[in-house]
Amino acid sequence: EDKVVQSPLSLVVHEGDTVTLNCSYEVTNFRSLLWYKQEKKAPTFLFMLTSSGIEKKSGRLSSILDKKELSSILNITATQTGDSAIYLCAVEAGGTSYGKLTFGQGTILTVHP
Amino acid sequence: DTAVSQTPKYLVTQMGNDKSIKCEQNLGHDTMYWYKQDSKKFLKIMFSYNNKELIINETVPNRFSPKSPDKAHLNLHINSLELGDSAVYFCASSLWEGQPQHFGDGTRLSIL
Repeated sequence: EDKVVQSPLSLVVHEGDTVTLNCSYEVTNFRSLLWYKQEKKAPTFLFMLTSSGIEKKSGRLSSILDKKELSSILNITATQTGDSAIYLCAVEAGGTSYGKLTFGQGTILTVHP
Repeated sequence: DTAVSQTPKYLVTQMGNDKSIKCEQNLGHDTMYWYKQDSKKFLKIMFSYNNKELIINETVPNRFSPKSPDKAHLNLHINSLELGDSAVYFCASSLWEGQPQHFGDGTRLSIL
């Protein structure tokens, strides 16, 4: 069975700090890894990483995929209170499970002013 | 404009009842999904439909029946509700399978 584990489960920092969130996975026939941010309601898409795109950056957020180590990190620099959320990592399998996302349990990030 | 919209946002009902949750997307996507998020915040896929055809059907009790009248709609009907069905149910859509999925705001189902 496909599995995604995130760490830490929760993190409390102050504004301006830099954080690194981790995601490791076991999946048959890996196709892509995705990061989502969930505030009070819908998870919102951040990044999608594949074999052909192992590093993505958007503003203060960046993510790297390490296919050898079966893991990914999400970095947030100069954190702001608006970054407080649950960050979800998901992997997508290929083959007969094409399109199926397996999610990790999430990392709860709290940024204090 | 809401991209993926679900109704109702909250649903409180008694054990044994039958209820439906509706989902609509105006993104022109071909693929739609239903997820269940339990109290521990794990999001688990239940079903996916591609252009009205069932693609993914995870190990879900047959009390849960999805219906897709057209590719912009995917509804979820649940029969004989049980306490363990209490959760937040999310609908999502993607351009096609393998593309990033966009989620609705969720329906919080509480069983009394």
